[in-house]
Amino acid sequence: EIVLTQSPVTLSLSPGERATLSCRASQSVGSSLAWYQQKPGQAPKLLIYGASYRAAGIPARFSASGSGADFTLTISSLESEDFAVYYCQQRSDWPPHSSFGPGTTVNIK
Amino acid sequence: EEQLVQSGAEVKKPGESLRISCQASGYGFTDYWISWARQVPGKGLEWMGRIDPSDSHTYYSPSFQGHVTMSVDTSVRTAYLQWNSLKSSDTAIYYCARQLIVAGEKPWGQGTLVTVSS
Repeated sequence: EIVLTQSPVTLSLSPGERATLSCRASQSVGSSLAWYQQKPGQAPKLLIYGASYRAAGIPARFSASGSGADFTLTISSLESEDFAVYYCQQRSDWPPHSSFGPGTTVNIK
Repeated sequence: EEQLVQSGAEVKKPGESLRISCQASGYGFTDYWISWARQVPGKGLEWMGRIDPSDSHTYYSPSFQGHVTMSVDTSVRTAYLQWNSLKSSDTAIYYCARQLIVAGEKPWGQGTLVTVSS
């Protein structure tokens, strides 16, 4: 079973600053990785699919890169609505299993 | 608009059975797998498994295998998650989501809070 690790656990930043979030897999997942944003009381929201493709309606300040076992989500300039928890998720072809990372909380400094 | 709408909150006792639902609209229901995830309030997301609505083939995460059952009714475009005997540790929010062809899930249902308490 593939295990995802996210770092840091918490990121304290100010609006306008750059956020860099990391997701590392215990083995290669190719490009089968997605990123989500979750705010209190809401369902997760897809930000990035296929490791680097922004989902429809996601602002350009969100970008992602990586392949294999190391992935990065970058928020170029934090806005107030970006303070939330961010999860990465991998999907394997066989067995058709998926798993989430433990999450990174981005909070206001 | 592609949408998944889940059934409302439930309060149950240990040992009781339960089925929650997730109704799809705005896209071809049998074209995409539906996955389920669990979130204990204040904790992270756990992927439970997925079902292919076109043939009802399922895959369960080992952590949930044998404790829940996923099913679909294509006539009403609805996926279900069922328990035969609930435990207090099943208290959580349960989400359904549509799995995209490429890694990613969208949209998500609004979540169903299941509370199991004696």
